[in-house]
Amino acid sequence: DIQMTQSPSSLSASVGDRVTITCRASQGISSWLAWYQQKPEKAPKSLIYDASSLQSGVPSRFSGSGSGTEFTLTISSLQPEDFATYYCQQYNSYPRTFGGGTKVEIK
Amino acid sequence: EVQLVESGGGLVQPGGSLRVSCAASGFIFSSYWMTWVRQAPGKGLEWVANIKEDGSEKNYVDSVKGRFTISRDNAKNSLFLQIDSLRAEDTAVYYCARSGSEIDYWGQGTLVTVSS
Repeated sequence: DIQMTQSPSSLSASVGDRVTITCRASQGISSWLAWYQQKPEKAPKSLIYDASSLQSGVPSRFSGSGSGTEFTLTISSLQPEDFATYYCQQYNSYPRTFGGGTKVEIK
Repeated sequence: EVQLVESGGGLVQPGGSLRVSCAASGFIFSSYWMTWVRQAPGKGLEWVANIKEDGSEKNYVDSVKGRFTISRDNAKNSLFLQIDSLRAEDTAVYYCARSGSEIDYWGQGTLVTVSS
């Protein structure tokens, strides 16, 4: 199975900050990576697919990059509604696997 | 508008069975792979299984193989997960999700609790 490792596991940031979350795959997954956002007690929401493509309706302050084994999710200017937990997921092979999550908290 | 509505969760004793369902609307159900993802209380997301558009291909995470069965009824726009031989570690919110390769839409989830 492909292991997905996210860092950091949590971070504190202020509104307006630039935030970067890293996701590393234990083996190459090309660009078959997605990012999801989850708020407490809510279902996840899809943000990015194919490493860098925004899902419809996702604000442009979210961006994704990377290929192979290292990927990043960047929020260019953190907004109050962005405080949540973020997960990466590979869909290069089965079983699909998620990273452990990165909780973005208010500083 | 894409909608996915799960149902069928509840409290079940260890060793018991349960079938959770997902009613889909707002898109051509028979044109999409569908996926189940679960989340244990306070934990991260775990991919469980997926099924091809016509039901001809199914994939499972190892921890549920032989106990969970994913199925679909395209005539009724419905996805199912039959969960047998339930264990305490199967306690989780089970999410139904639409997927091509990646997941693009999620349901609100249904809670399955395994406890005596």
